[in-house]
Amino acid sequence: QKEVEQDPGPLSVPEGAIVSLNCTYSNSAFQYFMWYRQYSRKGPELLMYTYSSGNKEDGRFTAQVDKSSKYISLFIRDSQPSDSATYLCAIGVWGNNRLAFGKGNQVVVIP
Amino acid sequence: DAGVTQSPTHLIKTRGQQVTLRCSPKSGHDTVSWYQQALGQGPQFIFQYYEEEERQRGNFPDRFSGHQFPNYSSELNVNALLLGDSALYLCASRSGEDEAFFGQGTRLTVV
Repeated sequence: QKEVEQDPGPLSVPEGAIVSLNCTYSNSAFQYFMWYRQYSRKGPELLMYTYSSGNKEDGRFTAQVDKSSKYISLFIRDSQPSDSATYLCAIGVWGNNRLAFGKGNQVVVIP
Repeated sequence: DAGVTQSPTHLIKTRGQQVTLRCSPKSGHDTVSWYQQALGQGPQFIFQYYEEEERQRGNFPDRFSGHQFPNYSSELNVNALLLGDSALYLCASRSGEDEAFFGQGTRLTVV
């Protein structure tokens, strides 16, 4: 079983829609959670960083963590064409700098 | 703040050759990690350097080696290149348990 599962299927949505992305993980030792946005042929850009169950909002982005279910989500409200990118979840353990990544979700927002 | 910088941006090498990639961490960061990202996949952890020593290593062969300098910059060396080493190589820096920031990556093509 992989440490982090992220359904890599591409996602196309119309502009203004809500985008919902999620990852599941297998190791309950994971303690902090990040979402990165990666444009084509560029490095990942940090969007959200959280370490507790519940919701964290930043503008149009909401990160949700459910540690009991080992499930994390990212929601993008009022999606814009500029949100078209690949979104990667990344999970880590305190004191261990290795991040475990999902495969990424390619999102296309259609004007 | 220039953030994490990597050089070169692109590189083409022949099978069997050796390559050195370079990374300068974000100002104030002392920990550098290297990741390999194959096309359509999430980044895979190669190793991490802190205080000029390799502290953690992922599931990569000894052909992959690195170094960290007193100014916290780092190099990734890959010997005896294989076609399968073609990927985007990412450097990430952080300080303690703070967020990890990535560079733009070096795209290595082995022919």
